[in-house]
Amino acid sequence: GAGVSQSPRYKVAKRGQDVALRCDPISGHVSLFWYQQALGQGPEFLTYFQNEAQLDKSGLPSDRFFAERPEGSVSTLKIQRTQQEDSAVYLCASSLAGLPGGNQPQHFGDGTRLSIL
Amino acid sequence: ILNVEQSPQSLHVQEGDSTNFTCSFPSSNFYALHWYRWETAKSPEALFVMTLNGDEKKKGRISATLNTKEGYSYLYIKGSQPEDSATYLCALLSAGGTSYGKLTFGQGTILTVHP
Repeated sequence: GAGVSQSPRYKVAKRGQDVALRCDPISGHVSLFWYQQALGQGPEFLTYFQNEAQLDKSGLPSDRFFAERPEGSVSTLKIQRTQQEDSAVYLCASSLAGLPGGNQPQHFGDGTRLSIL
Repeated sequence: ILNVEQSPQSLHVQEGDSTNFTCSFPSSNFYALHWYRWETAKSPEALFVMTLNGDEKKKGRISATLNTKEGYSYLYIKGSQPEDSATYLCALLSAGGTSYGKLTFGQGTILTVHP
């Protein structure tokens, strides 16, 4: 069965470049989350989609970060004018139910490891 | 800002040992507590979602308990095996406001089981 798929697995970019990270959630999953994980820390929430609607973007660290899920399935996280502090693992997760009200586990992808030189 | 704390940060045990670690969280606005196992080069895997005070859940040699009144959860591994080596993450699902139930993670406990 297909799980959550993220691409690319690794991305190296020069400071100032734009990057785009892709997430393919499990088919039929309503909720989609993006997290950022810095070395030695737990994942930190970035943004949440319920179908195509971005209901919470409170965790996006700056206006350089932008996420979309235009058709309610695949999502893209875009980082413009990357900085060294953007280097992290970016995790995508999906769950079947919409929130609030759901207490189902989130299904994670393998993540994209982003390194900014 | 919610503060989810896990202890210890890392743990080394011998194969066959039983072990446990702790997740502490603010008890207000509690909705659910998630436990995940994250092996190197793999994706985090859900272990348990716990919602009720006094909840106990079990999956093979791994079990977890929950105390929402005092704000902690314990994860137990009985007879640790090398394949249990991973980072164990707990995450709080909070209710209310506009958080839409986003997960707030602890920093994780890194478990290494030596053969």
